[in-house]
Amino acid sequence: EPEVTQTPSHQVTQMGQEVILRCVPISNHLYFYWYRQILGQKVEFLVSFYNNEISEKSEIFDDQFSVERPDGSNFTLKIRSTKLEDSAMYFCASSKSGTGTGELFFGEGSRLTVL
Amino acid sequence: EDQVTQSPEALRLQEGESSSLNCSYTVSGLRGLFWYRQDPGKGPEFLFTLYSAGEEKEKERLKATLTKKESFLHITAPKPEDSATYLCAVQAGASGSARQLTFGSGTQLTVLP
Repeated sequence: EPEVTQTPSHQVTQMGQEVILRCVPISNHLYFYWYRQILGQKVEFLVSFYNNEISEKSEIFDDQFSVERPDGSNFTLKIRSTKLEDSAMYFCASSKSGTGTGELFFGEGSRLTVL
Repeated sequence: EDQVTQSPEALRLQEGESSSLNCSYTVSGLRGLFWYRQDPGKGPEFLFTLYSAGEEKEKERLKATLTKKESFLHITAPKPEDSATYLCAVQAGASGSARQLTFGSGTQLTVLP
Protein backbone atom coordinates (compact mmCIF):
# COMPACT_ATOMS: atom_id res chain seq x y z
CA GLU A 1 0.00 0.00 0.00
CA PRO A 2 1.42 3.42 -0.91
CA GLU A 3 2.57 5.51 2.02
CA VAL A 4 4.13 8.83 2.88
CA THR A 5 7.72 8.44 4.05
CA GLN A 6 9.62 10.92 6.20
CA THR A 7 13.27 11.30 7.08
CA PRO A 8 14.88 11.57 9.52
CA SER A 9 12.71 9.86 12.10
CA HIS A 10 14.47 11.81 14.85
CA GLN A 11 16.81 14.80 14.69
CA VAL A 12 18.55 16.54 17.54
CA THR A 13 19.95 20.00 16.84
CA GLN A 14 21.34 23.00 18.63
CA MET A 15 19.33 26.18 18.88
CA GLY A 16 20.06 28.47 15.94
CA GLN A 17 20.96 25.66 13.55
CA GLU A 18 19.20 25.02 10.25
CA VAL A 19 17.16 21.86 9.88
CA ILE A 20 15.67 20.23 6.78
CA LEU A 21 12.97 17.63 7.15
CA ARG A 22 12.26 15.49 4.13
CA CYS A 23 9.13 13.79 2.89
CA VAL A 24 8.27 11.58 -0.05
CA PRO A 25 4.52 11.92 -0.65
CA ILE A 26 2.39 9.28 -2.33
CA SER A 27 3.32 9.35 -6.00
CA ASN A 28 0.03 10.36 -7.65
CA HIS A 29 -0.92 12.92 -5.00
CA LEU A 30 -0.96 16.59 -5.90
CA TYR A 31 -1.41 18.34 -2.54
CA PHE A 32 1.19 18.37 0.20
CA TYR A 33 1.09 19.55 3.80
CA TRP A 34 3.15 19.96 6.92
CA TYR A 35 1.59 19.70 10.37
CA ARG A 36 3.29 19.59 13.73
CA GLN A 37 2.43 18.23 17.15
CA ILE A 38 4.19 19.48 20.24
CA LEU A 39 4.31 16.77 22.88
CA GLY A 40 0.92 16.48 24.60
CA GLN A 41 -0.70 19.12 22.40
CA LYS A 42 -2.93 19.26 19.35
CA VAL A 43 -1.89 18.56 15.78
CA GLU A 44 -1.36 22.03 14.24
CA PHE A 45 -1.40 23.08 10.60
CA LEU A 46 1.73 24.71 9.21
CA VAL A 47 1.42 24.91 5.45
CA SER A 48 -0.23 23.47 2.36
CA PHE A 49 1.39 23.29 -1.07
CA TYR A 50 -0.08 22.76 -4.50
CA ASN A 51 1.11 23.33 -8.03
CA ASN A 52 4.56 24.34 -6.80
CA GLU A 53 3.38 27.09 -4.55
CA ILE A 54 2.08 27.63 -1.06
CA SER A 55 -1.73 27.47 -0.91
CA GLU A 56 -2.16 28.41 2.71
CA LYS A 57 0.04 28.90 5.75
CA SER A 58 -0.62 29.38 9.44
CA GLU A 59 0.70 32.03 11.80
CA ILE A 60 3.26 29.47 13.00
CA PHE A 61 4.78 29.35 9.53
CA ASP A 62 6.82 32.54 9.77
CA ASP A 63 9.92 33.66 7.86
CA GLN A 64 12.02 31.01 9.60
CA PHE A 65 10.11 28.29 7.76
CA SER A 66 10.16 27.41 4.08
CA VAL A 67 8.97 24.55 1.92
CA GLU A 68 10.23 23.25 -1.36
CA ARG A 69 9.53 20.52 -3.85
CA PRO A 70 13.03 20.26 -5.34
CA ASP A 71 12.21 17.38 -7.68
CA GLY A 72 9.27 15.22 -8.67
CA SER A 73 9.25 13.16 -5.51
CA ASN A 74 10.52 15.06 -2.47
CA PHE A 75 8.84 17.72 -0.36
CA THR A 76 10.96 19.45 2.25
CA LEU A 77 10.44 21.68 5.27
CA LYS A 78 13.33 23.92 6.23
CA ILE A 79 13.67 25.73 9.53
CA ARG A 80 16.36 28.36 9.13
CA SER A 81 17.31 29.07 12.72
CA THR A 82 15.75 26.66 15.17
CA LYS A 83 14.34 27.73 18.52
CA LEU A 84 13.63 25.66 21.60
CA GLU A 85 9.89 25.97 20.92
CA ASP A 86 10.33 24.31 17.52
CA SER A 87 10.79 20.99 19.31
CA ALA A 88 7.89 18.86 18.09
CA MET A 89 6.86 15.97 15.89
CA TYR A 90 6.54 17.20 12.32
CA PHE A 91 4.12 15.33 10.08
CA CYS A 92 4.10 15.46 6.33
CA ALA A 93 0.84 14.59 4.57
CA SER A 94 -0.40 14.34 1.02
CA SER A 95 -3.75 14.05 -0.70
CA LYS A 96 -5.00 13.40 -4.19
CA SER A 97 -7.66 16.08 -4.34
CA GLY A 98 -7.17 18.70 -1.67
CA THR A 99 -8.71 18.81 1.77
CA GLY A 100 -12.36 18.79 0.72
CA THR A 101 -12.67 15.09 1.45
CA GLY A 102 -10.52 15.36 4.57
CA GLU A 103 -8.61 12.30 3.41
CA LEU A 104 -5.02 13.23 4.09
CA PHE A 105 -2.36 10.54 4.23
CA PHE A 106 0.15 11.25 6.97
CA GLY A 107 3.69 10.00 7.35
CA GLU A 108 5.02 8.62 10.61
CA GLY A 109 6.61 11.92 11.50
CA SER A 110 10.03 13.41 12.17
CA ARG A 111 10.73 14.18 15.79
CA LEU A 112 12.77 17.37 16.14
CA THR A 113 14.52 18.09 19.42
CA VAL A 114 16.13 21.51 19.77
CA LEU A 115 18.66 21.88 22.59
CA GLU B 1 -11.26 31.37 15.54
CA ASP B 2 -12.30 27.79 14.91
CA GLN B 3 -12.60 25.70 18.07
CA VAL B 4 -12.72 21.91 18.29
CA THR B 5 -13.20 20.29 21.70
CA GLN B 6 -13.11 16.57 22.32
CA SER B 7 -14.34 14.66 25.34
CA PRO B 8 -13.52 12.71 27.31
CA GLU B 9 -9.75 13.18 27.24
CA ALA B 10 -9.29 9.50 28.07
CA LEU B 11 -11.61 6.51 28.11
CA ARG B 12 -11.01 2.99 29.35
CA LEU B 13 -13.42 0.28 28.22
CA GLN B 14 -13.67 -3.42 28.71
CA GLU B 15 -13.67 -5.45 25.51
CA GLY B 16 -17.23 -5.51 24.20
CA GLU B 17 -18.32 -2.43 26.19
CA SER B 18 -19.79 0.06 23.71
CA SER B 19 -19.39 3.81 24.17
CA SER B 20 -19.25 7.15 22.38
CA LEU B 21 -16.64 9.87 21.92
CA ASN B 22 -17.71 13.47 21.50
CA CYS B 23 -16.39 16.27 19.32
CA SER B 24 -18.01 19.68 19.67
CA TYR B 25 -17.09 22.47 17.31
CA THR B 26 -17.51 26.21 16.95
CA VAL B 27 -16.59 27.29 13.46
CA SER B 28 -17.59 29.82 10.89
CA GLY B 29 -19.00 27.90 7.96
CA LEU B 30 -18.31 24.20 8.43
CA ARG B 31 -17.13 22.56 5.20
CA GLY B 32 -16.36 19.16 6.62
CA LEU B 33 -15.71 17.26 9.87
CA PHE B 34 -13.21 14.43 9.86
CA TRP B 35 -12.26 11.62 12.22
CA TYR B 36 -8.76 10.23 12.39
CA ARG B 37 -7.12 7.53 14.45
CA GLN B 38 -3.60 8.00 15.80
CA ASP B 39 -1.51 5.17 17.20
CA PRO B 40 1.45 5.99 19.49
CA GLY B 41 4.42 7.29 17.53
CA LYS B 42 2.51 7.33 14.25
CA GLY B 43 0.78 9.89 12.09
CA PRO B 44 -3.00 10.28 12.03
CA GLU B 45 -4.90 7.77 9.91
CA PHE B 46 -8.07 8.92 8.14
CA LEU B 47 -11.37 7.30 9.16
CA PHE B 48 -14.42 9.34 8.10
CA THR B 49 -15.66 12.54 6.50
CA LEU B 50 -19.03 14.11 7.43
CA TYR B 51 -20.37 17.12 5.59
CA SER B 52 -23.84 17.93 6.90
CA ALA B 53 -26.03 17.50 9.97
CA GLY B 54 -27.76 14.14 10.03
CA GLU B 55 -25.06 12.39 8.07
CA GLU B 56 -23.70 9.07 9.34
CA LYS B 57 -20.74 6.92 8.25
CA GLU B 58 -19.83 3.42 9.38
CA LYS B 59 -16.73 1.28 9.25
CA GLU B 60 -16.52 -2.02 11.09
CA ARG B 61 -17.19 -1.26 14.79
CA LEU B 62 -17.12 2.53 14.31
CA LYS B 63 -19.98 4.85 13.41
CA ALA B 64 -19.64 8.62 13.11
CA THR B 65 -22.58 11.00 13.28
CA LEU B 66 -22.90 14.76 12.88
CA THR B 67 -25.22 17.44 14.24
CA LYS B 68 -25.00 21.21 13.82
CA LYS B 69 -22.85 21.53 16.94
CA GLU B 70 -21.11 18.22 17.49
CA SER B 71 -20.09 14.85 16.19
CA PHE B 72 -20.05 11.49 17.91
CA LEU B 73 -17.87 8.49 17.23
CA HIS B 74 -19.74 5.44 18.44
CA ILE B 75 -17.69 2.32 19.14
CA THR B 76 -19.70 -0.89 19.26
CA ALA B 77 -18.27 -3.95 21.01
CA PRO B 78 -14.70 -2.63 20.91
CA LYS B 79 -11.65 -4.87 20.78
CA PRO B 80 -8.17 -4.22 22.22
CA GLU B 81 -6.93 -3.35 18.72
CA ASP B 82 -9.28 -0.35 18.74
CA SER B 83 -7.06 1.22 21.41
CA ALA B 84 -5.70 4.48 19.99
CA THR B 85 -6.18 8.23 20.17
CA TYR B 86 -9.15 9.36 18.11
CA LEU B 87 -8.86 12.83 16.63
CA CYS B 88 -11.59 15.06 15.30
CA ALA B 89 -10.77 17.77 12.76
CA VAL B 90 -12.75 20.42 10.90
CA GLN B 91 -12.36 22.38 7.74
CA ALA B 92 -14.20 25.68 7.76
CA GLY B 93 -14.39 29.14 6.30
CA ALA B 94 -13.57 30.28 2.82
CA SER B 95 -13.41 27.84 -0.05
CA GLY B 96 -10.10 26.55 -1.27
CA SER B 97 -8.71 23.24 -2.37
CA ALA B 98 -6.05 22.94 0.34
CA ARG B 99 -7.62 24.62 3.35
CA GLN B 100 -6.16 23.77 6.70
CA LEU B 101 -7.67 21.24 9.04
CA THR B 102 -8.14 22.28 12.68
CA PHE B 103 -7.70 19.36 15.05
CA GLY B 104 -9.08 18.70 18.50
CA SER B 105 -6.86 17.39 21.27
CA GLY B 106 -8.17 13.83 20.91
CA THR B 107 -9.65 11.09 23.06
CA GLN B 108 -7.22 8.40 24.17
CA LEU B 109 -9.15 5.13 24.09
CA THR B 110 -7.92 2.03 25.89
CA VAL B 111 -9.81 -1.23 25.44
CA LEU B 112 -8.94 -3.86 28.01
CA PRO B 113 -9.17 -7.58 27.17
